Amino acid sequence: EVQLVQSGAEVKKPGESLKISCKGSGYTFPTYWIGWVRQMPGKGLEWMAIIYPAESDTRYSPSFQGQVTISADKSISTAYLQWSSLEASDTAIYYCVRRSPGTSVAGYLDYWGQGTLVTVSS
Amino acid sequence: EIVMTQSPATLSVSPGERATLSCRASRSISPNLAWYQQKPGQAPRLLIYGASTRAAGIPARFSGSGSGTEFTLTINSLQSEDFAVYYCQQYDYWPPYTFGQGTKLEIK
Repeated sequence: EVQLVQSGAEVKKPGESLKISCKGSGYTFPTYWIGWVRQMPGKGLEWMAIIYPAESDTRYSPSFQGQVTISADKSISTAYLQWSSLEASDTAIYYCVRRSPGTSVAGYLDYWGQGTLVTVSS
Repeated sequence: EIVMTQSPATLSVSPGERATLSCRASRSISPNLAWYQQKPGQAPRLLIYGASTRAAGIPARFSGSGSGTEFTLTINSLQSEDFAVYYCQQYDYWPPYTFGQGTKLEIK
């Protein structure tokens, strides 16, 4: 059974750094693109970034380029999303997602993690 | 960037009836269109990909159709568990993949 298990909720202050994680299991982690989707309170879904763990190939949405960093450690089947300096506007639920099988970046999202709530408040 | 527009924003339908949700792309994306369902407090789940292929475990009352820039999600014989928010997403062009703003399906 494919599972994406994300790290727990975080409460941070503006300016702090943060790294959240997503552990994949039940499939060959390195050979599937894995990404992150943001959902701000009461709002819709926004694509952020995606990585191919086998080659550390990364792609970012223009809206998030330079704002976050995606990474992965294929030895422990875990993907990460990190911020160097959080802002209040980063308050959201962040979902880890697996992209459907295939070698190109294009693909639908066949499995979702449970979500990590990040709250940034002074 | 491809813009995805869903309509209506909210759809009120009675249980047992049919719901028809629309999604329009700003340029042709066929057939790289997926639909997702999100219930309150839950992560989204994949319903349809390739515009018309049901994902594993999705009931047959869910069907997708369309091509080019116009797509439809139809839910027949609505069950109580179907009332949720539905998102379409294009995966024809990156970056980025883009989602529609969602359609909330509510009980009439």
